[in-house]
Amino acid sequence: RKEVEQDPGPFNVPEGATVAFNCTYSNSASQSFFWYRQDCRKEPKLLMSVYSSGNEDGRFTAQLNRASQYISLLIRDSKLSDSATYLCVVLWGGSQGNLIFGKGTKLSVKP
Amino acid sequence: ETGVTQTPRHLVMGMTNKKSLKCEQHLGHNAMYWYKQSAKKPLELMFVYSLEERVENNSVPSRFSPECPNSSHLFLHLHTLQPEDSALYLCASSQDLFGELFFGEGSRLTVL
Repeated sequence: RKEVEQDPGPFNVPEGATVAFNCTYSNSASQSFFWYRQDCRKEPKLLMSVYSSGNEDGRFTAQLNRASQYISLLIRDSKLSDSATYLCVVLWGGSQGNLIFGKGTKLSVKP
Repeated sequence: ETGVTQTPRHLVMGMTNKKSLKCEQHLGHNAMYWYKQSAKKPLELMFVYSLEERVENNSVPSRFSPECPNSSHLFLHLHTLQPEDSALYLCASSQDLFGELFFGEGSRLTVL
């Protein structure tokens, strides 16, 4: 069974807060990982890829722990516009095009 | 103009109807996908095409039939659907099978 697990939330945080999301995946052969963002009633869009060494894009930091089969996303200095559902995505095993999505973690940033 | 266009945006059909969803990508990508999004469930990959060849079929019921006539167009033919098939059907494309997915806005399907 293909499983990508996320805490569904919702995470309700004040502006300026730091928030972290976690994701676990069950296929140890998976090689590529991503975080997508989906706004309410909109289509998902790529937020960032996740690299083995960890990577940062402005206020967003993604980490990968292959041994624990665990991915994280850290958002610093949250903005109201960060409110969305964050989807963990895994390219399954050695497959081609088999991108498996988690259920998503909902974030709500309040004034 | 959006990179991936889906029509119709909304569709209501009876269980005995036959209808089709259409997807067109204007990005010059080589891979196209159909996903199903239901409430409280993760996006479910249905079909993957690369260079018009199907490369993935995740045990989707035969009442869903994909067609990819060229690298820019993808169809999902629907027949004798069930009410539990009501969902948002999202089309996506990517440059290759390992790249970023670009989604259309989806077709909201209701089966009565």
